[in-house]
Amino acid sequence: DIVMTQSPDSLAVSLGERATFNCKSSQSILNSSNNKNYVGWYQQKPGQPPKLLIFWASTRESGVPDRFSGSGSGTDFTLTISSLQAEDVAVYYCHQYYSSPPTFGQGTKVEIK
Amino acid sequence: QLHLQESGPGLVKPSETLSLTCTVSGGSISDSNHYWGWIRQPQTPGRGLEWIGSIYYSGSTNYSPSLKSRVTISVDTSKNQFSLKLRSVTAADTAVYYCARRQFWYDMSGHYSTWFDPWGQGTLITVSA
Repeated sequence: DIVMTQSPDSLAVSLGERATFNCKSSQSILNSSNNKNYVGWYQQKPGQPPKLLIFWASTRESGVPDRFSGSGSGTDFTLTISSLQAEDVAVYYCHQYYSSPPTFGQGTKVEIK
Repeated sequence: QLHLQESGPGLVKPSETLSLTCTVSGGSISDSNHYWGWIRQPQTPGRGLEWIGSIYYSGSTNYSPSLKSRVTISVDTSKNQFSLKLRSVTAADTAVYYCARRQFWYDMSGHYSTWFDPWGQGTLITVSA
């Protein structure tokens, strides 16, 4: 199985500031045939199911604010919130769908400083 | 707008079978562009999301290797539902269980099961005597 390791486990950021967190896969999840990285990012608020934010490592899902952006390739990926808002307090998970079984990172908890 | 809703008993006794149904509304489960899946999330802090398995409307399935011996996922296109059965449960199976739609992607390099969107609200299943 591909292991997805997120860092840090938690992060406190002031409102309006940038939040950046990382996800590392145990093997490359770049498909060289189509040049796509098989990574998604989800946001989970308390008491709610995960919500898809990003797929193909950097494509924003429809309706997701443009302060959210994804980057990276191969084994190292980053989710950035350019200007943290109060409603962004949540746990964020990365997910690989390069191979079966699909696996998720353990999550990064984002809080307000 | 597509909506998924899990239903089933909240409490299951050890060694018994957990049975859940996901009802899909606002769209057809027979959509050829999607798989349908089950994911669970133990409530223990630090425990993340675990994929259980997925099914296509044709009935084609794939399961997590760690759960494969105990899991059956089935689909009922006439009811727009798919179901999960997990046999011989233990306390370790206590979790929030989610159903979700899984995007099926085609391009010149092949076809792939990809991300999960949307998810149902989830249902807490407790395994206890």
